[in-house]
Amino acid sequence: GNSVTQMEGPVTLSEEAFLTINCTYTATGYPSLFWYVQYPGEGLQLLLKATKADDKGSNKGFEATYRKETTSFHLEKGSVQVSDSAVYFCALRTGANNLFFGTGTRLTVIP
Amino acid sequence: EPEVTQTPSHQVTQMGQEVILRCVPISNHLYFYWYRQILGQKVEFLVSFYNNEISEKSEIFDDQFSVERPDGSNFTLKIRSTKLEDSAMYFCASSQLSQPGGYTFGSGTRLTVV
Repeated sequence: GNSVTQMEGPVTLSEEAFLTINCTYTATGYPSLFWYVQYPGEGLQLLLKATKADDKGSNKGFEATYRKETTSFHLEKGSVQVSDSAVYFCALRTGANNLFFGTGTRLTVIP
Repeated sequence: EPEVTQTPSHQVTQMGQEVILRCVPISNHLYFYWYRQILGQKVEFLVSFYNNEISEKSEIFDDQFSVERPDGSNFTLKIRSTKLEDSAMYFCASSQLSQPGGYTFGSGTRLTVV
């Protein structure tokens, strides 16, 4: 079946620290992979995506590389800011038109 | 930037009561979805809707659930007889037909069944 396993939170970092949020998946077929972010009081927003192996998605300083050999799509950012505090969701989509999500990881960045 | 709007943001209801969660998708989108997240658990797919009918649904979406697009702008999720375990955050989303999974989500309705 299809599933996503995400790093347990919460994660608390100081400003300018390096961020990694781990995500691994199991899927039938060849999934597309996504990271969504939810800022307080807002909806889930697409942060970045990758549709095939070795693709790198990037946005707002965040990056994630689709690694088929390790079935992973880890989210990274070199220097986090207070404004990055949010909940981050890893997700996948196979041929069907719906998404499979992880549990979400809450990130808090302190000044 | 276009938004998906959900109302109410928080609803409390007694067990056994019917609830209707409302969503206004983006006007030129053609696919509509409901997802939910029970506290501390994964965001789960409930149902997708296209061309005025359900296109896919999960095992969660049993006979207690129904969806409707009553007037061409609203997209509603009805739970006929709520249970305690229906307490969750419910997210509506919409997408254009050709969009590769990059849905636009609403900010969610937190449903609390007491």
